[in-house]
Amino acid sequence: GAGVSQSPSNKVTEKGKDVELRCDPISGHTALYWYRQSLGQGLEFLIYFQGNSAPDKSGLPSDRFSAERTGGSVSTLTIQRTQQEDSAVYLCASSLEALASYEQYFGPGTRLTVT
Amino acid sequence: DQQVKQNSPSLSVQEGRISILNCDYTNSMFDYFLWYKKYPAEGPTFLISISSIKDKNEDGRFTVFLNKSAKHLSLHIVPSQPGDSAVYFCAASGVNDYKLSFGAGTTVTVRA
Repeated sequence: GAGVSQSPSNKVTEKGKDVELRCDPISGHTALYWYRQSLGQGLEFLIYFQGNSAPDKSGLPSDRFSAERTGGSVSTLTIQRTQQEDSAVYLCASSLEALASYEQYFGPGTRLTVT
Repeated sequence: DQQVKQNSPSLSVQEGRISILNCDYTNSMFDYFLWYKKYPAEGPTFLISISSIKDKNEDGRFTVFLNKSAKHLSLHIVPSQPGDSAVYFCAASGVNDYKLSFGAGTTVTVRA
């Protein structure tokens, strides 16, 4: 079956502009995660959605970052007034259930470059 | 605050030999550990995991060892193959948690 897909694969934007990154999780997966990987760093947890529960936004680095998940499926990560330090690869993952023992399947990521 | 550390950014090994990747963690609440493998332009894929009730888990050429007292785990790949050339991430969580804390990764290059 289809895996996790993300779009766009690459995004170059000017400092101060808003960007939207999209994630299509695997059908039937109730949990969806966003991570960020900055150069030379590990994956940094950003936000998590599980079914209709309130999302865990504890990893969002600032209030310029927001995310939503519509209809329990597609998710959009929005970064407002982008800064150069936002440049990173943004990865989305989904899993059948929200437990570490359930494999998280990752998309290929969106490489964001803020100039 | 990095709770999971991979202190070797890169490793080069000859085909057929053993690759040993190391990972240290600081959070004593972690009780579930995973290794992910990542090829360029692809997302990470799950490789192998271990819970804290075990000290070893084996899957084919891949074995993960856990030393809880030292807060250390390692991944052994035997024998190493060219297709194993990738970035390997160590990750940790509470078994009843969903957040994964990742290390910075180790780039493995298998030489023919």
